[in-house]
Amino acid sequence: GQNIDQPTEMTATEGAIVQINCTYQTSGFNGLFWYQQHAGEAPTFLSYNVLDGLEEKGRFSSFLSRSKGYSYLLLKELQMKDSASYLCAVRTGGFKTIFGAGTRLFVKA
Amino acid sequence: GAVVSQHPSWVICKSGTSVKIECRSLDFQATTMFWYRQFPKQSLMLMATSNEGSKATYEQGVEKDKFLINHASLTLSTLTVTSAHPEDSSFYICSASPPMGSNSGELFFGEGSRLTVL
Repeated sequence: GQNIDQPTEMTATEGAIVQINCTYQTSGFNGLFWYQQHAGEAPTFLSYNVLDGLEEKGRFSSFLSRSKGYSYLLLKELQMKDSASYLCAVRTGGFKTIFGAGTRLFVKA
Repeated sequence: GAVVSQHPSWVICKSGTSVKIECRSLDFQATTMFWYRQFPKQSLMLMATSNEGSKATYEQGVEKDKFLINHASLTLSTLTVTSAHPEDSSFYICSASPPMGSNSGELFFGEGSRLTVL
């Protein structure tokens, strides 16, 4: 079966760093994505990993370990506008993209 | 980035009626589009894969006769919710990806359509 797990909610303070973890078990693997979704809106793309290691893009970084079925999204210098849901998604062997339930991040002043 | 447009954004209908949602890729040709449904505070659930010029591929548990998908051109896919009932009320989102090789293959999403069935 397909399974993507990530924490339901996290809270962090403005200016801090937060790490959102994701573990997955899927039928095939063709890349892992992180998306940001604000309430009532469509998701927007943040990052992509297909090889092991860290990908850095500004305040956002994403890490992948394929052998462990594990990824994390790292957000630095948190801002209030970063309060949103963060979705971990895997493109499977059939090139479908399936999503985890999302982690709701609350950034407090 | 690529642009996907979805219409309507909001729709309210009476139980038993049918509703059509359109999804267009504005600046690229999409042979494949994906339709997702999202209930409040839940994940995006893949409903079906829309294939240009052929039948859609539905995920397990999704009724193909209830959720009609037509992908008649390389830039347009439609989802029709037939005989809608209150339990069909949800956020429906389409997505597409430009041809592989031009980017990482991330999905670009339409704005989403919030359906409320009374």
